[in-house]
Amino acid sequence: SQQGEEDPQALSIQEGENATMNCSYKTSINNLQWYRQNSGRGLVHLILIRSNEREKHSGRLRVTLDTSKKSSSLLITASRAADTASYFCATDAKGGAQKLVFGQGTRLTINP
Amino acid sequence: NAGVTQTPKFRVLKTGQSMTLLCAQDMNHEYMYWYRQDPGMGLRLIHYSVGEGTTAKGEVPDGYNVSRLKKQNFLLGLESAAPSQTSVYFCASTSTGFRETQYFGPGTRLLVL
Repeated sequence: SQQGEEDPQALSIQEGENATMNCSYKTSINNLQWYRQNSGRGLVHLILIRSNEREKHSGRLRVTLDTSKKSSSLLITASRAADTASYFCATDAKGGAQKLVFGQGTRLTINP
Repeated sequence: NAGVTQTPKFRVLKTGQSMTLLCAQDMNHEYMYWYRQDPGMGLRLIHYSVGEGTTAKGEVPDGYNVSRLKKQNFLLGLESAAPSQTSVYFCASTSTGFRETQYFGPGTRLLVL
């Protein structure tokens, strides 16, 4: 079973708007990561937030982590057509070997 | 520096046939992983390896075997393919250390008829 649940499953917005995706998970984690997948391609790492961090920024990306609620959010500001992709959260649960457990993903469509 | 490569890119098998998927990385990473992704789903871990000569089961290991004879290569085998194994298979690798991210290959699309 997959640990992460992502919400919404699909999101369609206009170019220039902000996009927010949410992820919930079940067990204690070392870190939580967000990946992007363009159609038919492999996953590309976007950002990693450690369990003792609450917020992290990278360019137009902002990630928050609330370990008490076991949830995270990814905000993409000033969206562009090139941001159209599926976004996955992945948790690195405590226990070693850096095994990631992925959510089902959010399909983001940016309309020009 | 090619990163993580996978061969083949696409394969069609008949039920009962066998095949091996090859993953290679040139980043000297210790850890390697095989995932499968079914339509509309996230990735699920099949098997993984924490070093040359070691392998371990992931979330969905049944019907698959793996080998890590060389540090840079991680092979995934299907002994007797079933239609339920139709999927896209991704390999990934990473260095040790809990802050490390995984680097993914481009995927192998497998269709079992």
